[in-house]
Amino acid sequence: DAKTTQPNSMESNEEEPVHLPCNHSTISGTDYIHWYRQLPSQGPEYVIHGLTSNVNNRMASLAIAEDRKSSTLILHRATLRDAAVYYCILRGEYGNKLVFGAGTILRVKS
Amino acid sequence: EAGVTQFPSHSVIEKGQTVTLRCDPISGHDNLYWYRRVMGKEIKFLLHFVKESKQDESGMPNNRFLAERTGGTYSTLKVQPAELEDSGVYFCASSRLFAGKGEKLFFGSGTQLSVL
Repeated sequence: DAKTTQPNSMESNEEEPVHLPCNHSTISGTDYIHWYRQLPSQGPEYVIHGLTSNVNNRMASLAIAEDRKSSTLILHRATLRDAAVYYCILRGEYGNKLVFGAGTILRVKS
Repeated sequence: EAGVTQFPSHSVIEKGQTVTLRCDPISGHDNLYWYRRVMGKEIKFLLHFVKESKQDESGMPNNRFLAERTGGTYSTLKVQPAELEDSGVYFCASSRLFAGKGEKLFFGSGTQLSVL
């Protein structure tokens, strides 16, 4: 069901920026791009979402390609607490529910 | 603001027994969702309540699973009788009504269910 493609895993050094890519070539014009993350032993946690324009919040930034076929979640300074599985999810075709894919496992090295 | 609360955090039962999971959404959130992750698989949608009504139950695996949300507040998910393949983590999430596609869901920490 998931219509996004993410790398299985990525590794980052602490205090460095992390760019997590997501491809969604079949995105429709009304689909929102959502990012959630799941820390160990916790439920998924909202990170950020956007439609067309780049978005910033206290957790991260979301850069959306002009054709909207891809996006990148940017963590400006990774910390050990950012180690988690990050999910890129399109929200639209399935109504209000979120459809999770496999996500990207982010490992942060000290 | 209290978050989404799930109880119990862990449950270990034998095959054939009944288990009831509870979810208390954030106060005022009319949308309530159940998800689960079984071992080695992705997080899967089970069903969606709007207030006390089932909006979408397309993800419920079979009739051994019964979800209720009487009064539109907390929700329960009963598994009867439990089978080995029901083992996994069950998550509940909530959001405000008329959330639309841009609204965010708040998840609980989940209930780890082990069926032996």
